[in-house]
Amino acid sequence: DAGVTQSPTHLIKTRGQQVTLRCSPISGHKSVSWYQQVLGQGPQFIFQYYEKEERGRGNFPDRFSARQFPNYSSELNVNALLLGDSALYLCASSNGQPNTEAFFGQGTRLTVV
Amino acid sequence: GESVGLHLPTLSVQEGDNSIINCAYSNSASDYFIWYKQESGKGPQFIIDIRSNMDKRQGQRVTVLLNKTVKHLSLQIAATQPGDSAVYFCAESRSGAGSYQLTFGKGTKLSVIP
Repeated sequence: DAGVTQSPTHLIKTRGQQVTLRCSPISGHKSVSWYQQVLGQGPQFIFQYYEKEERGRGNFPDRFSARQFPNYSSELNVNALLLGDSALYLCASSNGQPNTEAFFGQGTRLTVV
Repeated sequence: GESVGLHLPTLSVQEGDNSIINCAYSNSASDYFIWYKQESGKGPQFIIDIRSNMDKRQGQRVTVLLNKTVKHLSLQIAATQPGDSAVYFCAESRSGAGSYQLTFGKGTKLSVIP
């Protein structure tokens, strides 16, 4: 079975631009969560989606948005990029039930210049 | 604010020895914990989890211990191998919060000396 897949793997953008990151969860999983991991730190929760609805949002500005599609894949959008948005963006897949395993993709390395 | 943290930022062990990585959590409402292993340039890899109604859980070469009294979590790796070298994170969540989100600590870097 395929694990969590994310695309692209690497991305370079200029300040002020917009970026869209994509994630496909493990087959059968209905929940996708997004995390930002700055170098040297643990991942920080951005969003959780379950059955196409936003279930949770972390402490991130409105420049960050996401959505989930009927096939449970998800996109994370970041507008008006700042240098500080440079990070590894991780997608986690789970069945959406509390206290169950969450599996991460390899991440998208975003560099803002 | 409440957070999950680690006692030791780095840990060096001899190949073949046992490793113990510690984690302290401060949110008493947390009822689910996961240990992840992250190698350079990769996403976190699920190792083992434990629910708050347990105090010990074993996997292949790994054991997680949970002490709710002192809000402490540990990961024990038996017969540490060079392939175990990575950064290890503990993460916590709590049911009933309306969403499933994990709160991570800063991580412990494990270096295995051949």
